[in-house]
Amino acid sequence: DQQVKQNSPSLSVQEGRISILNCDYTNSMFDYFLWYKKYPAEGPTFLISISSIKDKNEDGRFTVFLNKSAKHLSLHIVPSQPGDSAVYFCAAFQYNFNKFYFGSGTKLNVKP
Amino acid sequence: NAGVTQTPKFQVLKTGQSMTLQCAQDMNHEYMSWYRQDPGMGLRLIHYSVGAGITDQGEVPNGYNVSRSTTEDFPLRLLSAAPSQTSVYFCASSPGDSNSPLHFGNGTRLTVT
Repeated sequence: DQQVKQNSPSLSVQEGRISILNCDYTNSMFDYFLWYKKYPAEGPTFLISISSIKDKNEDGRFTVFLNKSAKHLSLHIVPSQPGDSAVYFCAAFQYNFNKFYFGSGTKLNVKP
Repeated sequence: NAGVTQTPKFQVLKTGQSMTLQCAQDMNHEYMSWYRQDPGMGLRLIHYSVGAGITDQGEVPNGYNVSRSTTEDFPLRLLSAAPSQTSVYFCASSPGDSNSPLHFGNGTRLTVT
């Protein structure tokens, strides 16, 4: 039973436009949420995170939004660039259990 | 700045063989973990450790053993490989304090025939 779900396996966006990646979770006790980016043949790299006590965190072109009542997390990339083409994983962490849970990933393709 | 180092990068095993996937980190991280990545399944937690001498099971621990004798190393052992263990394996570490992300190695691609 997946606790973190990414329902869109892929997303295609034009360069310069906004990319919105979505993530849903089932466990209301998660304390910390993260987004990772993964290129082929490499390990995932940390992108941005948000604590459960916040609803928005911004870092340059990347913004993460958290809607706790809907148990929904989203990552906005503005403007999108071809180098952003990768697989994006959302993840959630619960302090009491010391476990990170990952979604199945969304493959983003940014077209020049 | 090595970070998390995994060896080997690729491995082919026959069913029933055993092997150890190595993972080492040089960041003095307390928390280490192993994940497997399968198509459509994302990253699933196999085992994790919150410090030397302490290990615990994740979502998919069957068929795998771990130990944590030092802070730096967290090897993953396959005792009797099965085709269902064909996957890409990632080791990851973090300082273990609150709001610290995981740092991943570059993975080991394992094929069991």
